[in-house]
Amino acid sequence: AQSVTQLGSHVSVSEGALVLLRCNYSSSVPPYLFWYVQYPNQGLQLLLKYTTGATLVKGINGFEAEFKKSETSFHLTKPSAHMSDAAEYFCAVSEAKDDKIIFGKGTRLHILP
Amino acid sequence: EPEVTQTPSHQVTQMGQEVILRCVPISNHLYFYWYRQILGQKVEFLVSFYNNEISEKSEIFDDQFSVERPDGSNFTLKIRSTKLEDSAMYFCASSSLAGLSQPQHFGDGTRLSIL
Repeated sequence: AQSVTQLGSHVSVSEGALVLLRCNYSSSVPPYLFWYVQYPNQGLQLLLKYTTGATLVKGINGFEAEFKKSETSFHLTKPSAHMSDAAEYFCAVSEAKDDKIIFGKGTRLHILP
Repeated sequence: EPEVTQTPSHQVTQMGQEVILRCVPISNHLYFYWYRQILGQKVEFLVSFYNNEISEKSEIFDDQFSVERPDGSNFTLKIRSTKLEDSAMYFCASSSLAGLSQPQHFGDGTRLSIL
């Protein structure tokens, strides 16, 4: 069965500092991996996804994530945090043959001025 | 950019009553989904729907739940007899292709509160 673990339900970084949100997954087959962002009172917006090919994936708003099979990780990073990055971030996994997405519990990112 | 729209944004219902949550997927999309997020918990898959039938459903999606595409634009989730534990944010999503080769686009959600 697939699962996602996000380390840290809350992460605080200073504006301009590196953002690192951790995600580890479990899957019996090669996974599809996703990061979604949820701003207050809004739906889920896809930041980036990994399916096959290049393991470093670039997404919107300057975010990127690297698929590391040996570590079963898909951590999300951004070199320099902006106040507008404050939101809830969800890591998610799916098998290629399935439609359903399995989400992690989410990490709320706080940006300190 | 096309959007998935959900109505209402907030629904308050008495326990035991039926509720219908409505979604208008992106117009050329063929695959439709419902997810829910209980306050403070993770987003959970409920059901996927294609070609006028359910393709997959989770354990949560019991006999109290049903989905329907009554016309060419709407996709609805019905909860027949609501329980307190049905209180959650319900998200609709749609995609143009199956197997996640195209991303699922999510609506802003309907917050369902059961009294």
